[in-house]
Amino acid sequence: ILNVEQSPQSLHVQEGDSTNFTCSFPSSNFYALHWYRWETAKSPEALFVMTLNGDEKKKGRISATLNTKEGYSYLYIKGSQPEDSATYLCAPGAGSYQLTFGKGTKLSVIP
Amino acid sequence: DTAVSQTPKYLVTQMGNDKSIKCEQNLGHDTMYWYKQDSKKFLKIMFSYNNKELIINETVPNRFSPKSPDKAHLNLHINSLELGDSAVYFCASSRSGTGRVNTEAFFGQGTRLTVV
Repeated sequence: ILNVEQSPQSLHVQEGDSTNFTCSFPSSNFYALHWYRWETAKSPEALFVMTLNGDEKKKGRISATLNTKEGYSYLYIKGSQPEDSATYLCAPGAGSYQLTFGKGTKLSVIP
Repeated sequence: DTAVSQTPKYLVTQMGNDKSIKCEQNLGHDTMYWYKQDSKKFLKIMFSYNNKELIINETVPNRFSPKSPDKAHLNLHINSLELGDSAVYFCASSRSGTGRVNTEAFFGQGTRLTVV
């Protein structure tokens, strides 16, 4: 089980603002880093899976970067919309089929 | 078609009882998981399982046991339920890659277990 830190814990932004969150994890024995979006009363849904140092992935207004050498990943949301309100989880994996989830960043987008 | 389905969605039971939660996936994945969402909304891995290997989180009491009749199913059995077992339990599956965790996990809708 890895030590995973996500910051901030929660965030309120105005509609249209851009924002970003951080995920920190041990850089040793790294296999992959996952980001999930978790809406209230629903199941977590995968956004990105990244494996290589320097990886950048994008899906619409959401993008993520990965630095495996220093053990961090950033998730960016451009022009936040109310439907982006959710908890964003990161989960590094170090093999053995296990992901360790962070506590998440809860984003609230105010219309 | 629901990719990962869990039953029941809600389960209320008395302390000391034995209960099971069922999970089925129709994605053709070969790895399945059970996660527990604790009171602080934190997702913690309980088990990961494929047809060759069971990985157990050492913090999980041995009252909890996974049972996999086939690759598409991973059920969770809980013996002698305690009040502290009340939580939401999520099943998930993924296609195991060469790096084992380099493919996304698909989650079920969760089972809210309440022990009274």
